[in-house]
Amino acid sequence: GNSVTQMEGPVTLSEEAFLTINCTYTATGYPSLFWYVQYPGEGLQLLLKATKADDKGSNKGFEATYRKETTSFHLEKGSVQVSDSAVYFCALSDRARDDKIIFGKGTRLHILP
Amino acid sequence: KAGVTQTPRYLIKTRGQQVTLSCSPISGHRSVSWYQQTPGQGLQFLFEYFSETQRNKGNFPGRFSGRQFSNSRSEMNVSTLELGDSALYLCASSSAIRNSNTEAFFGQGTRLTVV
Repeated sequence: GNSVTQMEGPVTLSEEAFLTINCTYTATGYPSLFWYVQYPGEGLQLLLKATKADDKGSNKGFEATYRKETTSFHLEKGSVQVSDSAVYFCALSDRARDDKIIFGKGTRLHILP
Repeated sequence: KAGVTQTPRYLIKTRGQQVTLSCSPISGHRSVSWYQQTPGQGLQFLFEYFSETQRNKGNFPGRFSGRQFSNSRSEMNVSTLELGDSALYLCASSSAIRNSNTEAFFGQGTRLTVV
C-alpha cells in the first residue's frame, strides 16, 4: 500500500540556517503530495502541495518539488526563523484509489535564536 | 469562511466511560475524516465519511465508531474508554471529489484524557 517516510527529529537549527526535511513516498498510483505544519496546541495546517511530477509547491519561504524519479518531496527553506518551530508532516493522497490521506510520522523542528 | 470546528477542545473521562466528539466541516465540504494523534504512534487514520456513508476505515477496534449527518457534521464515539485512548483527536474536512486530490483542512482537535 501507499506510505510516507520522513526523517526523524527533532531537528535543531539556529535562526537563518538552511532547512531540509527529507520525505520519500511509496505509491502505486499518481498521488498528490503535501506538507502540513502543526504549531503547539493546534491542528494541522496545509503548508504547501504538489499534484503532479515536477510541480513545485511553495509558501512562506518553504519549497518542495515533486520528484517522481526519486519518489521524494523534500521540504526546504533558505533561512529559518524562530517562528518556524513546529512539527512538519509529509503526506500523500491518491483519491483515484481511496480517500485517505497518509501521513509520515512528523519531524519536530526547533529553531534557536 | 469558517474553518473546521471541533468540540469540545478538552475532555477528561474515566476508564470504562464512553465519549462523543463533534466536528463541523467547512461549509460545502462533504468529506470528514478523523485521526488519532499520540506521541508514540503519530497520526493514525480512524475513518472517513462522505455524504453520510463511511467510505474508508482505519485499523481501530470496534469501540471506535462514527457517523455523519445530512448537514455533513460528524461525530465520533469511543466506548469503554481505555487509558491508551488518551490522545488528540483531529477532524479534517475536504471537498473530496473522487479523482480530485484536494487537500484536507483540519480542526484544532479535541484533547481527550482518560484517567
